[in-house]
Amino acid sequence: TQLLEQSPQFLSIQEGENLTVYCNSSSVFSSLQWYRQEPGEGPVLLVTVVTGGEVKKLKRLTFQFGDARKDSSLHITAAQTGDTGLYLCAGQFYNQGGKLIFGQGTELSVKP
Amino acid sequence: SQTIHQWPATLVQPVGSPLSLECTVEGTSNPNLYWYRQAAGRGLQLLFYSVGIGQISSEVPQNLSASRPQDRQFILSSKKLLLSDSGFYLCAWRELVNTGELFFGEGSRLTVL
Repeated sequence: TQLLEQSPQFLSIQEGENLTVYCNSSSVFSSLQWYRQEPGEGPVLLVTVVTGGEVKKLKRLTFQFGDARKDSSLHITAAQTGDTGLYLCAGQFYNQGGKLIFGQGTELSVKP
Repeated sequence: SQTIHQWPATLVQPVGSPLSLECTVEGTSNPNLYWYRQAAGRGLQLLFYSVGIGQISSEVPQNLSASRPQDRQFILSSKKLLLSDSGFYLCAWRELVNTGELFFGEGSRLTVL
């Protein structure tokens, strides 16, 4: 059974600080996604990474996919209160058809 | 454009009662469909997914079941609810051409008393 380990589970920081969230697995991902979720709503896609070593940027968010395609990170620079939310990684593994599983989530709170 | 709807939005049910959550997708054909459950502030647990009519993959052994009677309809059911079935249930369809993005329904909050 493939598992995604996401860390940290909770993060409380001051506005302007930087942070990194990690997503790891013992299995190789065919693709990995990062989502952000607001309370009471469904998650919304931030990025999809498919190539080992890939780096994608979305304004102050930087996403990295490990060379071995077993891990990924989300780095936020100069966090703002609007970044508060639940961040989720989701991975698809080889030979798993349509199966897409999520990590445990990182609940981020950015204080003014 | 594609849309996804699930209902009911909120449900309060006694232990031992049946459950039926329905999800429909419009604007796409033969979508991959998913049912997830989420505890408060936590990740999404994959319950079932379907790559076609009548094709259901179950991820977690439990007292829930899923059916896909039509191409764009996905139903989550239970004959007898347990307290542990309480949670936020999300239906989703997956876009397979470009990003592989999951698009979620509005969610159904189930409380079993």
